[in-house]
Amino acid sequence: AQKVTQAQTEISVVEKEDVTLDCVYETRDTTYYLFWYKQPPSGELVFLIRRNSFDEQNEISGRYSWNFQKSTSSFNFTITASQVVDSAVYFCALSEERSGAGSYQLTFGKGTKLSVIP
Amino acid sequence: SQTIHQWPATLVQPVGSPLSLECTVEGTSNPNLYWYRQAAGRGLQLLFYSVGIGQISSEVPQNLSASRPQDRQFILSSKKLLLSDSGFYLCAWTPPNSGNTIYFGEGSWLTVV
Repeated sequence: AQKVTQAQTEISVVEKEDVTLDCVYETRDTTYYLFWYKQPPSGELVFLIRRNSFDEQNEISGRYSWNFQKSTSSFNFTITASQVVDSAVYFCALSEERSGAGSYQLTFGKGTKLSVIP
Repeated sequence: SQTIHQWPATLVQPVGSPLSLECTVEGTSNPNLYWYRQAAGRGLQLLFYSVGIGQISSEVPQNLSASRPQDRQFILSSKKLLLSDSGFYLCAWTPPNSGNTIYFGEGSWLTVV
């Protein structure tokens, strides 16, 4: 069974600081997908990134970057020069195909609440 | 482009009353559809998923049920709500037979009083 662990429950940083959100996953499959979602106070889950298990290249998108390391089963998320608008709950998720079901299931971590203080 | 909508956005229901949350997806065919619940502890729990019309799989035993009367419509229901049913309900979809990104609706806040 898959599992996603986000050990950091809450993090507070001062604006313009860099912050890294940790994500560790467990899976028995060789093909899987990893995601990060942002949940602002409004509640909607906003997709940030998807990474498949065969692509270990790190990715940068503006102030966001992601470090995928299969050797440690981690998919960490770094925000550079944080801003108040980054305050939200961030979820890491793992997607695996359900055996014979033809659908992919997301397993979420419990989320990390990030507060950026002005 | 594909979009997903769910409603109502917010509702307050008394214990024992029925529930119906609706979700529709536009711009795609034969999507996989999901209902998630997020309780006060922030964790997201998969409740139901569907790979086609009339095909519903339940992940956890509970007071809720789901139906898919049309290809792009997914309904979450209850005959009699419990206090423990309170939470934030999210509908989601993904293209069929793929690991593509799962997209979420706006969510519905349910408070059972």
